[in-house]
Amino acid sequence: QSVLTQPPSVSGAPGQTVTISCTGTRSNIGASFEVHWYQQFPGTAPRLLIYTNINRPSGVPDRFSGSRSGTSASLAISGLRAADEADYYCQSYDSSLGGSVVFGGGTRLTVL
Amino acid sequence: QLQLRESGPGLVKPSETLSVTCSVSGGSVGHRSQYWGWVRQPPGKGLEWIGSIHYSGSSYYNPSLAARVTISVDTSKNQFSLSLMSVTAADTAFYYCTKSNGIAVSGTDSWGQGTLVAVSS
Repeated sequence: QSVLTQPPSVSGAPGQTVTISCTGTRSNIGASFEVHWYQQFPGTAPRLLIYTNINRPSGVPDRFSGSRSGTSASLAISGLRAADEADYYCQSYDSSLGGSVVFGGGTRLTVL
Repeated sequence: QLQLRESGPGLVKPSETLSVTCSVSGGSVGHRSQYWGWVRQPPGKGLEWIGSIHYSGSSYYNPSLAARVTISVDTSKNQFSLSLMSVTAADTAFYYCTKSNGIAVSGTDSWGQGTLVAVSS
């Protein structure tokens, strides 16, 4: 069981907007530790999609956006494309039990 | 451009030690602000942070693995390594080496391609 909770799957039609949630607690997201998001295609390494809650690395389209509030964070993907079909993971830091980098369980995005 | 490449045994016997090395090119493991780490992913499952190290030797481990894990850095070879003791089938996974600017401060912006290590007799 992951420290950060994500829905196992989300889906949307091309052109739509989908949102992936990442729910934490007061010892991670709620403690103001930064949240990052990764995209992973089958058979490949993850790539950084959003860092420090809302920032996009160079080359990431502005269709991808991040936000956070309280003990949760969200990744929104607008103008959905078939090429967006992948697994998405959130990441933060948890201060309990000695401290550790933690990931969400991952969300599989299906483009209908 | 920074590139990371893992090299590992592919197969390790239960109770033995898993060792994987990451070779860095296009950058230096001695960079002051960078942390070098390991993330693993069992086939078909999610990501798990193993730990990170700074060239100064400061290391940070996942508490659930800390008793079995050592991460080391060799600045002369521009490499860093992972050692995981007393492995079981549950340690079968893709092992990725990574680079971050800090510990969970700004995300993990570089990843190796990953190497699959299976634990089996």
